[in-house]
Amino acid sequence: GQNIDQPTEMTATEGAIVQINCTYQTSGFNGLFWYQQHAGEAPTFLSYNVLDGLEEKGRFSSFLSRSKGYSYLLLKELQMKDSASYLCAVNPPHGFGNEKLTFGTGTRLTIIP
Amino acid sequence: GAVVSQHPSWVICKSGTSVKIECRSLDFQATTMFWYRQFPKQSLMLMATSNEGSKATYEQGVEKDKFLINHASLTLSTLTVTSAHPEDSSFYICSARRDRVSYEQYFGPGTRLTVT
Repeated sequence: GQNIDQPTEMTATEGAIVQINCTYQTSGFNGLFWYQQHAGEAPTFLSYNVLDGLEEKGRFSSFLSRSKGYSYLLLKELQMKDSASYLCAVNPPHGFGNEKLTFGTGTRLTIIP
Repeated sequence: GAVVSQHPSWVICKSGTSVKIECRSLDFQATTMFWYRQFPKQSLMLMATSNEGSKATYEQGVEKDKFLINHASLTLSTLTVTSAHPEDSSFYICSARRDRVSYEQYFGPGTRLTVT
């Protein structure tokens, strides 16, 4: 089965750094995605990790440890526009017609001045 | 880029009627399209996986006769909510995979369905 956990809500201050954790227990693993979703809008792609380690992309970085079933998304120099939900999604091993993502519950991040 | 569109962006319908939602990949051919449902303040729940030219694969608990999916071409998939009821009111989002090498899914802007 698939089980993906994230904190439900987080609050952080403008200009600061915040880390959003994601733990997963899935029957197989073939990569982990982070998506950002503003209220009433579709998710937008932030990062993809398939190997252990840190992937940095501007203000956003994502880390993966496959042995621990753990990932985090790190947001630096927070801006008010970063207030959104952040979704962790795991891509299980796939065969033809089975390339689907399983999403965590999402973390609603609120940035305060 | 990889742009996915949905139409309509929002729809209000009466209970008992059917609603069709279109999902199009505008600048690429999508090998696979996915349909999700999202209730307020909840995460995305996969409803079905759609491959062009074959029947959709539905997730457990999703009624295939109620949520009809047709993947007519490599750029178009449709979701028809048949005999809609108020509990079907939700945000429906489609996504598309461009190829079998990249696992990334490109999401449409979503369709807000309200059934009165």
